[in-house]
Amino acid sequence: DIQMTQSPSTLSASVGDRVTITCRASQNVNSWLAWFQQKPGKAPNLLIHKASTLQTGVPSRFSGSGSGTEFTLTISSLQPDDFATYYCQQYNTYSRTFGQGTKVEIK
Amino acid sequence: EVQLLESGGGLVQPGGSLRLSCVGSGFTLSSYAMSWVRQAPGKGLEWVSAVSDSGGSTEYADSVKGRFTISRDNSKNTLFLQMNSLRAEDTAVYYCGKADCGGDCRLIDYWGQGSLVTVSS
Repeated sequence: DIQMTQSPSTLSASVGDRVTITCRASQNVNSWLAWFQQKPGKAPNLLIHKASTLQTGVPSRFSGSGSGTEFTLTISSLQPDDFATYYCQQYNTYSRTFGQGTKVEIK
Repeated sequence: EVQLLESGGGLVQPGGSLRLSCVGSGFTLSSYAMSWVRQAPGKGLEWVSAVSDSGGSTEYADSVKGRFTISRDNSKNTLFLQMNSLRAEDTAVYYCGKADCGGDCRLIDYWGQGSLVTVSS
């Protein structure tokens, strides 16, 4: 199975900061990579798919890049509503593996 | 507006069975592949199972293969997950998810609110 590794596991940041989260795949997943945001007690919400395509309705401060085995999620200017946990997921293979998550906390 | 509503969760003893349901509205369920994803308390997300739009193709994570069965009733806009031989490690919130297309599409673009399954004696 493909393993997905996110870094960091926890990130402390302030409103207005530029934030970058990295996701590495153990094998090539091409561009079949999605990013989700999850808030406590809520379902995940799709932010980005196909590595860099912004889902409809998602603010433009979110962006994704990468292909193959290395990907990044960037929030250009962190807003109060962005404090949450972020997951990457590969959907290149049937196992649809998620990363372990990155919690973005208030500094 | 796309909505997914899970039901059927609860407390079950180890070795027991439970059937989850997920009713979709705001879209035609028969046009989309569907999935189940779970999240153990305080842990990350784990994909569990998926079914094609027609129901003719199913996939399972190794951790549930042979114990769980995914199915769908497109006439009732409903997705199911039959869970047998439940173990403590199956304790989780179970989310149903709609894929962004039919066939064996894998990307989940909408999620339900989740249904908690607790396996304990």
